[in-house]
Amino acid sequence: EAGVAQSPRYKIIEKRQSVAFWCNPISGHATLYWYQQILGQGPKLLIQFQNNGVVDDSQLPKDRFSAERLKGVDSTLKIQPAKLEDSAVYLCASSLATGVGYGYTFGSGTRLTVV
Amino acid sequence: AQSVSQHNHHVILSEAASLELGCNYSYGGTVNLFWYVQYPGQHLQLLLKYFSGDPLVKGIKGFEAEFIKSKFSFNLRKPSVQWSDTAEYFCAVNPHQAGTALIFGKGTTLSVSS
Repeated sequence: EAGVAQSPRYKIIEKRQSVAFWCNPISGHATLYWYQQILGQGPKLLIQFQNNGVVDDSQLPKDRFSAERLKGVDSTLKIQPAKLEDSAVYLCASSLATGVGYGYTFGSGTRLTVV
Repeated sequence: AQSVSQHNHHVILSEAASLELGCNYSYGGTVNLFWYVQYPGQHLQLLLKYFSGDPLVKGIKGFEAEFIKSKFSFNLRKPSVQWSDTAEYFCAVNPHQAGTALIFGKGTTLSVSS
């Protein structure tokens, strides 16, 4: 099966600019996750979708980050305005459903550098 | 809040040495446990997982992990590492709470010299 597709692979922007990342999960996977992985740390959940509804966005900095999953398939994550501390790899993952027992498949990530 | 602790930040071994990476979690209820590996330039891949049953689980590439419930631990082991095992290793926990996603540790970088 095709994996989780993410684009772009790399992005360099100046602080205060905006940026958007795109994720296409595995076909049929109802649950989609966005994780932020700062260098030297483990992935941290930003937002979890079940179809097109938000399950958990408690760790999403909502003053600057937004995410949507229209039609319950593709998803976009946006940062506006970006700060230096947003430099990280943004990982998208998907699973068949929410709940324990369902494995996650991760994309290759988007490496964001804010200068 | 639930958390995952990986005690070793960077481990350096020679080929054929034995490996043990520590992982502890803080959650009093039932959990599923995972180890993921990230090879240089690649995406996260599942090494092994524990859901229930035998607390000693075997994964790919000769890795195994033991769940010790009383110690809230899920340590990763391999009897003889290879140069190709050089990677970053992440322990992750999925608490049995509705809607809770995977919680990752900070990761351990393993460097194996030939």
